[in-house]
Amino acid sequence: SQQGEEDPQALSIQEGENATMNCSYKTSINNLQWYRQNSGRGLVHLILIRSNEREKHSGRLRVTLDTSKKSSSLLITASRAADTASYFCATGSGGSNYKLTFGKGTLLTVNP
Amino acid sequence: DADVTQTPRNRITKTGKRIMLECSQTKGHDRMYWYRQDPGLGLRLIYYSFDVKDINKGEISDGYSVSRQAQAKFSLSLESAIPNQTALYFCATSDPENGYTFGSGTRLTVV
Repeated sequence: SQQGEEDPQALSIQEGENATMNCSYKTSINNLQWYRQNSGRGLVHLILIRSNEREKHSGRLRVTLDTSKKSSSLLITASRAADTASYFCATGSGGSNYKLTFGKGTLLTVNP
Repeated sequence: DADVTQTPRNRITKTGKRIMLECSQTKGHDRMYWYRQDPGLGLRLIYYSFDVKDINKGEISDGYSVSRQAQAKFSLSLESAIPNQTALYFCATSDPENGYTFGSGTRLTVV
């Protein structure tokens, strides 16, 4: 079963604009991760935020985590056409049986 | 060389055939995973292994089996392929509680 659910399912913006994607989850987590997938390719790890963190930055990426609302957001600033991809959130949980559970993804299209 | 290598990249097979997908990693991680991706369904976990002697079923293990031949090698088998196993298959590796490294995927078509 899916733990994380991304919103929106699809997002289309112009180059230079910011893109915000949201993720909601159901159970307690150790961490939450965001991945990017270009069409038909493997997933690439973007950023990990631990359950005791509220915000994290990496280049043009900003991730927030609100454990009280069981939600996270990924902000991509000053988007580029090359940012066009699917973005997945994944929740890490399970203690000694730790593993990731992925959402269904948000398809981001950045128009030149 | 890629950190996680999957072979083959593409495969077309007939219903009822046995097929093996192979995965090797150079990250030195103990943990390896097999996921399946279908359009609109995201990634679903098939099997995972935390070390050579530890194999665990994921959420959709029926119709699949795995073998962990070494720390670096984790293969997925479809004992008798069926058309609804047509999907994109990914192998991944990780160290505990950090980001996963994925292979480039195997696109499998069962006709």
